[in-house]
Amino acid sequence: AQSVAQPEDQVNVAEGNPLTVKCTYSVSGNPYLFWYVQYPNRGLQFLLKYITGDNLVKGSYGFEAEFNKSQTSFHLKKPSALVSDSALYFCAVRPNSGGYQKVTFGTGTKLQVIP
Amino acid sequence: NAGVTQTPKFQVLKTGQSMTLQCAQDMNHNSMYWYRQDPGMGLRLIYYSASEGTTDKGEVPNGYNVSRLNKREFSLRLESAAPSQTSVYFCASSDRPVLASNQPQHFGDGTRLSIL
Repeated sequence: AQSVAQPEDQVNVAEGNPLTVKCTYSVSGNPYLFWYVQYPNRGLQFLLKYITGDNLVKGSYGFEAEFNKSQTSFHLKKPSALVSDSALYFCAVRPNSGGYQKVTFGTGTKLQVIP
Repeated sequence: NAGVTQTPKFQVLKTGQSMTLQCAQDMNHNSMYWYRQDPGMGLRLIYYSASEGTTDKGEVPNGYNVSRLNKREFSLRLESAAPSQTSVYFCASSDRPVLASNQPQHFGDGTRLSIL
C-alpha cells in the first residue's frame, strides 16, 4: 500500500531563513509527487509537482522541491522564508503507471514563520 | 475568476438529518472530486467523477451519495447524518482525472460541517 509521511507536525523558522518541509513516500514503481499549500479557511492550492526528469522542481511563490529516489523523499524548500508563507503544507503521491491509481495525501505540516 | 465554489461554507446538523453540499466549477474541467479533511488524517477521497455522466467511489464512500448534475456541478449528499461525518469537506476539479494522470487539482474553500 502506498503512503506519505510528513514527519513534522509543525516547523518553525525565522523570517529570512531557509525553510524545509519534509516528505517521504512509499509507492509501487515510480511516483508522481505533489505539494499543496492551505491557508486558514481556504482550500488547498497547488505549488509544484514532480513527474520525471530534473530532480529539482521549481514552483509557485519561490518554492522548490528536491526529489531523491534513493531516499524516497520529496522535501519542500525555500531559500528565504516570508511571514506570509505561514500555512499548512501537504505532500501527495500517486504511482506513475497506467490505469486508475489512488492519490495519497500526507497529514500536513504547519509552517510558522516568525518575524 | 471564481474557480471552484462550494456552498454552504458552514453547517450544523442534528444526527439523522439530511443535507446536500453543492459544488460548481467554472474552469470547464472534466473531473470533479469530493474529499473530507480530518485532523491528523490528511485528505480522503469520498467520491469522484472522472467525466460528466460518471461517478465512482473513493476511499470512504459509506454514508454519502453524489450527483454529477452537469459538467460544472457535483453535489454530495448525506442522507442520514452521523457525528462521525463531522468534518471539513472539499470539492476539487481537474482537467483530466488525477487518478489517471499527473494533473494537479483545484480546490474550493470547503464546507465546515458539524453533526450533533
